[in-house]
Amino acid sequence: DAMVIQNPRYQVTQFGKPVTLSCSQTLNHNVMYWYQQKSSQAPKLLFHYYDKDFNNEADTPDNFQSRRPNTSFCFLDIRSPGLGDAAMYLCATSSATGASPLHFGNGTRLTVT
Amino acid sequence: GDSVTQMEGPVTLSEEAFLTINCTYTATGYPSLFWYVQYPGEGLQLLLKATKADDKGSNKGFEATYRKETTSFHLEKGSVQVSDSAVYFCALSESSGTYKYIFGTGTRLKVLA
Repeated sequence: DAMVIQNPRYQVTQFGKPVTLSCSQTLNHNVMYWYQQKSSQAPKLLFHYYDKDFNNEADTPDNFQSRRPNTSFCFLDIRSPGLGDAAMYLCATSSATGASPLHFGNGTRLTVT
Repeated sequence: GDSVTQMEGPVTLSEEAFLTINCTYTATGYPSLFWYVQYPGEGLQLLLKATKADDKGSNKGFEATYRKETTSFHLEKGSVQVSDSAVYFCALSESSGTYKYIFGTGTRLKVLA
């Protein structure tokens, strides 16, 4: 089955220690997204890629960066995690048509100690 | 900008009760509308969608109709089960070519046996 896969499911990092979360997709979708979700609140969009074009949300902290080396993979780098960055991080894809739904991975739960 | 407003939860129902979760939106153009469901510790799953006015999306006994005149997309189910306990998110895809999706704040549903 085509899907969006996030690794790891759970990640623990120390305050200030860089961490990378990964996402891969077998859907061959043009657009990949990273969302931050806290306590079952609405997912908050951090950034998205349309192919190689990177789109950063205005309120995404500089501490968060992303890479998309190819169509299938996308990474979220948190350069210096703070306690406030503890959250669920969700990767999603879409095929770039208005009617296309988002397809989500199962998320990575990040804990900052 | 576009926005989605959802009724606040939590909603607590007895098994076999009728469910309605209200969702209204503001948007320029003609967005597609979605309902997603999130079970504890998991990513969001598409529940149903509608792409134009008067479309009815349905899945697993859930239904929602795209009402342009009232800018609404209320989720309904005739008889809920304990397994329906989850958080439900209403969302729209912006029709302005940004490839962005706007989410409501989510409604937690708890169904009691």
